[in-house]
Parts: sequence; structure tokens; C-alpha cells
Amino acid sequence: GAGVSQTPSNKVTEKGKYVELRCDPISGHTALYWYRQSLGQGPEFLIYFQGTGAADDSGLPNDRFFAVRPEGSVSTLKIQRTERGDSAVYLCASSLLGSHSGANVLTFGAGSRLTVL
Amino acid sequence: TQLLEQSPQFLSIQEGENLTVYCNSSSVFSSLQWYRQEPGEGPVLLVTVVTGGEVKKLKRLTFQFGDARKDSSLHITAAQPGDTGLYLCAGRKPGGSNYKLTFGKGTLLTVNP
Repeated sequence: GAGVSQTPSNKVTEKGKYVELRCDPISGHTALYWYRQSLGQGPEFLIYFQGTGAADDSGLPNDRFFAVRPEGSVSTLKIQRTERGDSAVYLCASSLLGSHSGANVLTFGAGSRLTVL
Repeated sequence: TQLLEQSPQFLSIQEGENLTVYCNSSSVFSSLQWYRQEPGEGPVLLVTVVTGGEVKKLKRLTFQFGDARKDSSLHITAAQPGDTGLYLCAGRKPGGSNYKLTFGKGTLLTVNP
């Protein structure tokens, strides 16, 4: 597609529930990233995929968070046993070039706003 | 620990005024980027600065990277309501993989007509 598409745009859930957030990157972009933006904060890195594999998942806050990208295109961020502190905007970005390129430019989606009641 | 401090946090000005926002750190960055984020949207890249002392211009926006590559500024001339948004700076640490951006909290700019 023309841009990075994220669904749902808004998700309200109850504490303890499971949620999935989907990201459809720009066609042809091999690199995909998830960031989390809490209210009043800048985005924080969660995970980076190069192709199908998670090249760096050091930003995932704990083992309730998991992300997959099985075919090297669409990615799903999965959150188990949601907590109120998980409420944030989850941003996905993609880029054409890999992590070692100085010209690496990330294009962000509009985000999925998650609210945990 | 907030590695990138942005100031001011909020700024409300009248159309036509000039303004400068700042991004400061005690750490050296190999490059620094400025983004603008509008409500309900993701950040959009405005510029990347790489060399200490570098100045880049984008229409009415002037970006400067500090000589020591620890700080940056964004100056807007004759601000317009369309400039309203959250301005974020983000840096890449030396030797770090360039996907891992460290963002500041941003400056929320409102330009009133």
C-alpha cells in the first residue's frame, strides 16, 4: 500500500484480556518496527524485524508482549493478560533498508490506540 | 532516564511569530532527526542531521545540529496554523543500530490564527 496501515485504530479492552494489533507495512519494505507511545511521552522502541525474524526484541517490556511476522510482510503485536499500564498508542514503522544503512528512513503508521480499563 | 530533553514542553504563539525549540542531551548522537506528529497520526520525518554544526533548511524551518552533536534546535520563521503539532527529536547513538531511535517527549506547538 501507499503507507503503513495499522488496525484497529482504537481498541478498548478489560484488564486481563488478550489483544492483537496488526501492522501492514509499505510494500517492499523488509524492515518493520514497533514503538509504543504513552501519553505525554515520545515513542519508545519495542521490537525490530528484518524479514521474518525478530532481529532485536530488547524493547519488549515483559513476556506478556510478543510479536510475529510470519511471511515477512504483515506483523502482529500480541499482548496477553493486559494491564492498565499497557494503555498507549502502539506505532508501527517500516523501512526499505536494513539496520546498517545510514540512510535508513522509517515511515510510521497512524498507530493503534489501546485503552485497558 | 530521559536522554533527550526537549524544551519548551508547550508553546502557544500567534500566526506570523518566530519560534525556536530545543533538543538537548548529555550524550553524543551519531545523527539526530526531527519529526512532526499531528493528532491521531504517526510521526513524520522532517529532517536528519548528521554532521556537528550542520544547518539544514526546509522552507520556513531551520534545523541545526550542535558542534558536539549533543543538541539540536528547530527554528520556525513566520509560523502558520498549519505548523501546529508535536515536534519530536530523535537520536541514534554512535555505534548503535540505526533503527533504534531515542525520542524526546516533544514540544507541543499551537499556532493561533
